[in-house]
Amino acid sequence: SQLAEENSWALSVHEGESVTVNCSYKTSITALQWYRQKSGKGPAQLILIRSNEREKRNGRLRATLDTSSQSSSLSITATRCEDTAVYFCATGGGRALIFGTGTTVSVSP
Amino acid sequence: EAAVTQSPRNKVAVTGGKVTLSCNQTNNHNNMYWYRQDTGHGLRLIHYSYGAGSTEKGDIPDGYKASRPSQENFSLILELATPSQTSVYFCASGDAQGDAEQFFGPGTRLTVL
Repeated sequence: SQLAEENSWALSVHEGESVTVNCSYKTSITALQWYRQKSGKGPAQLILIRSNEREKRNGRLRATLDTSSQSSSLSITATRCEDTAVYFCATGGGRALIFGTGTTVSVSP
Repeated sequence: EAAVTQSPRNKVAVTGGKVTLSCNQTNNHNNMYWYRQDTGHGLRLIHYSYGAGSTEKGDIPDGYKASRPSQENFSLILELATPSQTSVYFCASGDAQGDAEQFFGPGTRLTVL
């Protein structure tokens, strides 16, 4: 079973709009990471948010963490076509990260 | 310059054949990982390594072996490939266990006929 899981299979937006990907996790964590995977590429980390942080920003990206509800969100503002990708949340599983199944975000012109 | 590379990028194998997927990292990370990615399953951990000479089983190790001959290189070996092993395989490296960031290679698409 997954320790972390995104809540939506796919989201579609138009350029310039905002989009939010949600993630829920099952165990207590020390940190949660968000990764992005573009077509034909390996995943790449976007943001790491620690359990004592409520919000973390990286440019147009904003991650939140709510340890009481065991959930996290990744918001992308002013989306661009190049934001089209699969977005994963991941939590530490002791020996390696455990990834959710991912949310496909499609940004159209 | 890419820090984690994989070869081959694409591979077609026959059922029962031996397949070796190779990974090289220049990050000088101790930990390396092999995942497979299938629709609906996300990334699943096959084998991992804490350093040269060490290999450990991940969540789905059956049918796979791993080899870590050096800090830089980590191989995934399918001794008797089966069609169920058709997938995209990713190698990653990381500085530490647990919550450390992982750096991924570009993936190898394996088709077993």
